[in-house]
Amino acid sequence: EAGVVQSPRYKIIEKKQPVAFWCNPISGHNTLYWYLQNLGQGPELLIRYENEEAVDDSQLPKDRFSAERLKGVDSTLKIQPAELGDSAVYLCASSINRGGTYNEQFFGPGTRLTVL
Amino acid sequence: DAKTTQPTSMDCAEGRAANLPCNHSTISGNEYVYWYRQIHSQGPQYIIHGLKNNETNEMASLIITEDRKSSTLILPHATLRDTAVYYCIVRRTGAGSYQLTFGKGTKLSVIP
Repeated sequence: EAGVVQSPRYKIIEKKQPVAFWCNPISGHNTLYWYLQNLGQGPELLIRYENEEAVDDSQLPKDRFSAERLKGVDSTLKIQPAELGDSAVYLCASSINRGGTYNEQFFGPGTRLTVL
Repeated sequence: DAKTTQPTSMDCAEGRAANLPCNHSTISGNEYVYWYRQIHSQGPQYIIHGLKNNETNEMASLIITEDRKSSTLILPHATLRDTAVYYCIVRRTGAGSYQLTFGKGTKLSVIP
């Protein structure tokens, strides 16, 4: 069974440029998460999707960050415009939600973003 | 959610048991103890979880004290590939169980 797939693995951009990250969760996983991980810190949740609905985006900086999961499967996280402080690893995870009970989260390898 | 406290770093000789402690003195009765690890340049990987009984799987053992205020993750025969950051997380059951709150974890270095 394939794990969570993310692309690209690495991205280097100039500040003020847009950038997008893509995630394909494990087949059948209805819950998808995007996390931000700064150097030396644990991951922090940005947004959580239940199928195609964003049910928790309270930590997503909405002035420059957006996300979508149009068909309830794969998802895209976008930053526009990127700032120097956005340099970090962006992790995607997925899990199964059965009646409000969640199994373990499975993480992708992440996208390392460097903003110059 | 209950907060966890872990040592910043630990060393372990290859082939020896690695014992990683975690304090979670404010844990509630409906909260599980979860352990994840993150190898360099990879996403976090689930290891094991438990409520109050000791648990063992193919990766590790989890020992939870009777009062549930602390736990220890045991890697019985550490290898160089076990070098990683290990996160101890207290996780709710039921509603809100999606939430994983990561701290800084313990950086385990397995030494040849």
